[in-house]
Amino acid sequence: AQKITQTQPGMFVQEKEAVTLDCTYDTSDPSYGLFWYKQPSSGEMIFLIYQGSYDQQNATEGRYSLNFQKARKSANLVISASQLGDSAMYFCAMREGSIIQGAQKLVFGQGTRLTINP
Amino acid sequence: GAGVSQSPRYKVAKRGQDVALRCDPISGHVSLFWYQQALGQGPEFLTYFQNEAQLDKSGLPSDRFFAERPEGSVSTLKIQRTQQEDSAVYLCASRQGLTMNTEAFFGQGTRLTVV
Repeated sequence: AQKITQTQPGMFVQEKEAVTLDCTYDTSDPSYGLFWYKQPSSGEMIFLIYQGSYDQQNATEGRYSLNFQKARKSANLVISASQLGDSAMYFCAMREGSIIQGAQKLVFGQGTRLTINP
Repeated sequence: GAGVSQSPRYKVAKRGQDVALRCDPISGHVSLFWYQQALGQGPEFLTYFQNEAQLDKSGLPSDRFFAERPEGSVSTLKIQRTQQEDSAVYLCASRQGLTMNTEAFFGQGTRLTVV
């Protein structure tokens, strides 16, 4: 079974509109972390936002927010007021287990290619 | 530089050739990761170092893959007798501490093409 599922291979959005990128995850571990990364055409992975499984509030970082619905096992990324520079691949990732347990590696989804149109 | 540096950026290898990919993490970063990203896919975990100790190598696809970080800073990923299925982008990431709640910085990757 896929640990991380991103069902949108591609998204096209008009500049200045908000966009939601979907991510669902599968784990039986009560402790986990969820991450979103942006990968522009240059190749590097840029960290955007983090949500811990025990965090009570949805994470926000500037124009990025994470819509965390624990019961549904979803962690959608919301980008407000999209900009042309937001065009890139976006990856959702999960760390299963806690730091105390020695968990370190990330499991990534297949990604969503976001294109912002002027 | 201030970021994670990987070299070479591009490598073309003939099938059967050995290759070595280098990662210079951010100075002082304890944790170092290698990931493999096939075309059109998300990155897949290969191995993890805490300082010079390789604590997790569960993602290495075969015994042809070997990674080291002998002095706890620079790391090298070596692939012996390369095969076509090894063609991918190899990403290195480093993190300052041990907690995953802190940001991991990625390099731009090495694109390996095996012909």
